[in-house]
Amino acid sequence: NAGVTQTPKFRILKIGQSMTLQCTQDMNHNYMYWYRQDPGMGLKLIYYSVGAGITDKGEVPNGYNVSRSTTEDFPLRLELAAPSQTSVYFCASSRKRSDTEAFFGQGTRLTVV
Amino acid sequence: AQSVTQLDSQVPVFEEAPVELRCNYSSSVSVYLFWYVQYPNQGLQLLLKYLSGSTLVKGINGFEAEFNKSQTSFHLRKPSVHISDTAEYFCAVAHYDKVIFGPGTSLSVIP
Repeated sequence: NAGVTQTPKFRILKIGQSMTLQCTQDMNHNYMYWYRQDPGMGLKLIYYSVGAGITDKGEVPNGYNVSRSTTEDFPLRLELAAPSQTSVYFCASSRKRSDTEAFFGQGTRLTVV
Repeated sequence: AQSVTQLDSQVPVFEEAPVELRCNYSSSVSVYLFWYVQYPNQGLQLLLKYLSGSTLVKGINGFEAEFNKSQTSFHLRKPSVHISDTAEYFCAVAHYDKVIFGPGTSLSVIP
């Protein structure tokens, strides 16, 4: 099984550029999440979704946007990249609410220069 | 609001020695507790979780954790570590739709 797939794995952006980080899952999970991971800071929740058509902000949503048009896909959009968005981004999904295991993608390492 | 503290950012330990990774949380409501492991250049994967019932929870790869409500702790233990246990370990608390992760503890197993 593929599980949670993220693309790209690596990306370098210039300040002010935009890009979309793709995330797809094949487990028919309703819940999907986007986290960023910075050294010594753990994972911070950016946005999450409880089902197709429903999204909500997490702890650090500024500078990002998401959409959830299908159960499988949950893309993360950076509109005007800033150096502060240099990070490793993880997409995750879970079957239902927070009492179940979350499955993570392998991450996207983004550098903004 | 919930928060998670992992008291040790780095833990070096010799192979075959026991290890304990500490996790404390704060919450005014009941939460679920998790430990995840992250191997280099990979995503996180679940080690174990506590939802209710027995306070001693056993997970994969020989790890276990004990929930202590009075001390609001959920420490992770392994009686004998292996080189392959070298990784980053994250404690997490969950309530409703939110999961909050601790800053992580880097476990280095020394041959």
